Amino acid sequence: DIQMTQSPSSLSASVGDRVTITCRASQSISNYLNWYQQRPGKAPKLLIYSASSLQSGVPSRFSGSGSGTDFTLTISSLQPEDFATYYCQQSYSNPPYTFGQGTKVEIK
Amino acid sequence: QVQLQESGPGLVKPSQTLSLTCTVSGGSISSGSYYWNWIRQPAGKGLEWIGRSYTSGSTNFNPSLESRVTISLDTSKNQFSLKLTSVTAADTAVYYCARELRRAGATAYYFDYWGQGTLVTVSS
Repeated sequence: DIQMTQSPSSLSASVGDRVTITCRASQSISNYLNWYQQRPGKAPKLLIYSASSLQSGVPSRFSGSGSGTDFTLTISSLQPEDFATYYCQQSYSNPPYTFGQGTKVEIK
Repeated sequence: QVQLQESGPGLVKPSQTLSLTCTVSGGSISSGSYYWNWIRQPAGKGLEWIGRSYTSGSTNFNPSLESRVTISLDTSKNQFSLKLTSVTAADTAVYYCARELRRAGATAYYFDYWGQGTLVTVSS
């Protein structure tokens, strides 16, 4: 299985801050990397696919980059509705698809 | 607008079979561009991919669950289902169904629509 490791596991930030979350794969996954946002009690929501493509309807303050084993999700200016948990997911190798452990973004 | 909705018992006894159905509206599960997936999340923990089915009936499963899992499609009802046998307390989780899009040329695969999730508790 391909292991996905996110860092940090949690972070505290203020509205307007720039936030960066990192995801590392245990082997190269090219650009088969997706990012999801999960608010409490809700289903995950797709933000970014193919490492850097913004899903339709997702605000442009979200961006993704990376290729191979190292990837980042950046929120350029954190908004109140962005406080949530973020997951990366590799779609390079199946079975199984695997997710990172999640990064919880909390209010400072 | 595509919508997915999980349904099934919220309580299952240990050693019995967990059965869930996902009803899809706003799109056909017979479309060749999509896979139909089940994903679960224990309380306070991360996401675990269970498996998927394609319109052809082909399936892929997480090796950690493969011996206990069945996923099948019912195109007449536009539904797909999950069966997980011999459940234990470790199978207690919120279960999500999700549509996976395969972009042309297999350049990307991702879960673009999710159900709201249903909590299944395994307890006697």
